[in-house]
Amino acid sequence: DTAVSQTPKYLVTQMGNDKSIKCEQNLGHDTMYWYKQDSKKFLKIMFSYNNKELIINETVPNRFSPKSPDKAHLNLHINSLELGDSAVYFCASTDSGGSSYNEQFFGPGTRLTVL
Amino acid sequence: AQSVSQHNHHVILSEAASLELGCNYSYGGTVNLFWYVQYPGQHLQLLLKYFSGDPLVKGIKGFEAEFIKSKFSFNLRKPSVQWSDTAEYFCAVKNQAGTALIFGKGTTLSVSS
Repeated sequence: DTAVSQTPKYLVTQMGNDKSIKCEQNLGHDTMYWYKQDSKKFLKIMFSYNNKELIINETVPNRFSPKSPDKAHLNLHINSLELGDSAVYFCASTDSGGSSYNEQFFGPGTRLTVL
Repeated sequence: AQSVSQHNHHVILSEAASLELGCNYSYGGTVNLFWYVQYPGQHLQLLLKYFSGDPLVKGIKGFEAEFIKSKFSFNLRKPSVQWSDTAEYFCAVKNQAGTALIFGKGTTLSVSS
């Protein structure tokens, strides 16, 4: 009965590889996010999707491509991985239909290590 | 651009000590403010949130925060910390469009027993 789940939890890969991280939420929310947490624990928004439509695309290299096949899923594909991509990636979701102060629910994170 | 500042990078306390973590935000309009906690190896969990009304907000696990509009602050407090409060604490504000959270850089709290 996990609310927001991510796979894999850990991902270790070589520079130059292409990898994907998956996120699923079973809360019935219509908005999902990807955040990146760097080695200094700083959290920054990368992307946001509302009803499968991209609504936020922060300054992120175009090697990162989010895909939302449906409201409950938001995947993140990363091409040509670089050392600087090493971080913890958090997925989150919220219900935009409520008031603007709705809580975002976070997944457990995916720790990506690029060697 | 909106921003959130957390002044304390690392706070070290003994059990039963009182806690106050500073948070200041830059936006002057209507704000929605949050404190999240991240226990070691775990995901972020909401401690409390403020959107309107009583500026003193009570959250889970005995935490509270006070919204002071004139100071653009939303400091987190707990009268008596426990070893289990050891974690990262993040202050966040919803962006003007209401579409995402802007986080501070976090404060590491270490509580010794």
